[in-house]
Amino acid sequence: EPEVTQTPSHQVTQMGQEVILRCVPISNHLYFYWYRQILGQKVEFLVSFYNNEISEKSEIFDDQFSVERPDGSNFTLKIRSTKLEDSAMYFCASKLDSRNTGELFFGEGSRLTVL
Amino acid sequence: EDQVTQSPEALRLQEGESSSLNCSYTVSGLRGLFWYRQDPGKGPEFLFTLYSAGEEKEKERLKATLTKKESFLHITAPKPEDSATYLCAVQLYNTDKLIFGTGTRLQVFP
Repeated sequence: EPEVTQTPSHQVTQMGQEVILRCVPISNHLYFYWYRQILGQKVEFLVSFYNNEISEKSEIFDDQFSVERPDGSNFTLKIRSTKLEDSAMYFCASKLDSRNTGELFFGEGSRLTVL
Repeated sequence: EDQVTQSPEALRLQEGESSSLNCSYTVSGLRGLFWYRQDPGKGPEFLFTLYSAGEEKEKERLKATLTKKESFLHITAPKPEDSATYLCAVQLYNTDKLIFGTGTRLQVFP
């Protein structure tokens, strides 16, 4: 069964360092997302991406964050200068097309720990 | 402000003991409500989509229902493998993002 894969599963970094989280969405999916979940809190929307551009972003997704689909298969989230409060589980998700609305396929997540 | 509230926060059931999880929402313009299951350390796994009041969806021991203010996830004769956190999420018109509740952590004991 096709699945969304994420790497790394866990990354530890120092405050102020740049981090890139990688995702390979399901191959025929057209819509891509990043969500995050701080330990013990809700899953929160960060950004949606369609047709090689950001379609929507939350207030969390400030200038320190960026997304890219560099080669038609990978989908990356970059945090330019990490802060302690960026520590969270980051989930990549994808969906086939606009008709599926909330039926997202999530990856297993990348746990980011900022020291 | 758009809000999604789930109750209870945690629920412990004996195997075979049926129960219901609640998701209440206060939003402007509901496009759809979705139930997900999340196992520890994993990403959410899609279960159901509900679009209009009165709609019901079923899958094995789970049944989801929707009214104009809330949704219920009914679990009939649960098994230990149903233990997980169940998340409710809503989507509004003119947006692609999902707004999640905090979830109900279900534990089913043999």
